Amino acid sequence: EAGVTQFPSHSVIEKGQTVTLRCDPISGHDNLYWYRRVMGKEIKFLLHFVKESKQDESGMPNNRFLAERTGGTYSTLKVQPAELEDSGVYFCASSQSGHAEQFFGPGTRLTVL
Amino acid sequence: SQQGEEDPQALSIQEGENATMNCSYKTSINNLQWYRQNSGRGLVHLILIRSNEREKHSGRLRVTLDTSKKSSSLLITASRAADTASYFCATVSWGNQFYFGTGTSLTVIP
Repeated sequence: EAGVTQFPSHSVIEKGQTVTLRCDPISGHDNLYWYRRVMGKEIKFLLHFVKESKQDESGMPNNRFLAERTGGTYSTLKVQPAELEDSGVYFCASSQSGHAEQFFGPGTRLTVL
Repeated sequence: SQQGEEDPQALSIQEGENATMNCSYKTSINNLQWYRQNSGRGLVHLILIRSNEREKHSGRLRVTLDTSKKSSSLLITASRAADTASYFCATVSWGNQFYFGTGTSLTVIP
């Protein structure tokens, strides 16, 4: 069974540019989560999808971040325009309904110059 | 506010020794989970302990939970070089929100 995949693995962009991160959850997992880890800090929750609906987006830092999950399969996280403080590793995770364990992807390392 | 907070931040031991990591948190939880992250990889789920449990074992892993002290510990017995990784605790609220700490970086010296 394929795990959670994320693309790209690394992205280096300049301040003001736009970047879109993609997450493919494990097939059949209704729950999809986005997290971010800024260098040296804790892994912070960004938002949670149940199928295509945003269940909880309380962790989204500001309106420069837009997450979508059209069709309830893969998800994208767009940062527009990117700022220096957006640099970090963005993790995606998925889980089955009613199951507490989350399966994480390898993360996308975003560097904003 | 930050929830899970691991201690120590870094730990270096010899192969064969035991490694103990601690996690403290601030509010009521449904369960607490421990994850491992190898360099450049995603987090891998290790073990889950529910709020009404006090101790759990899985292979060489032993987790304890003290809800009165709002703390948990992860013990890895007979450590191996392959255990070298960062370890994170995640506290899970009753609303199923995950809160991770900053992690403990474990180095096992062969």
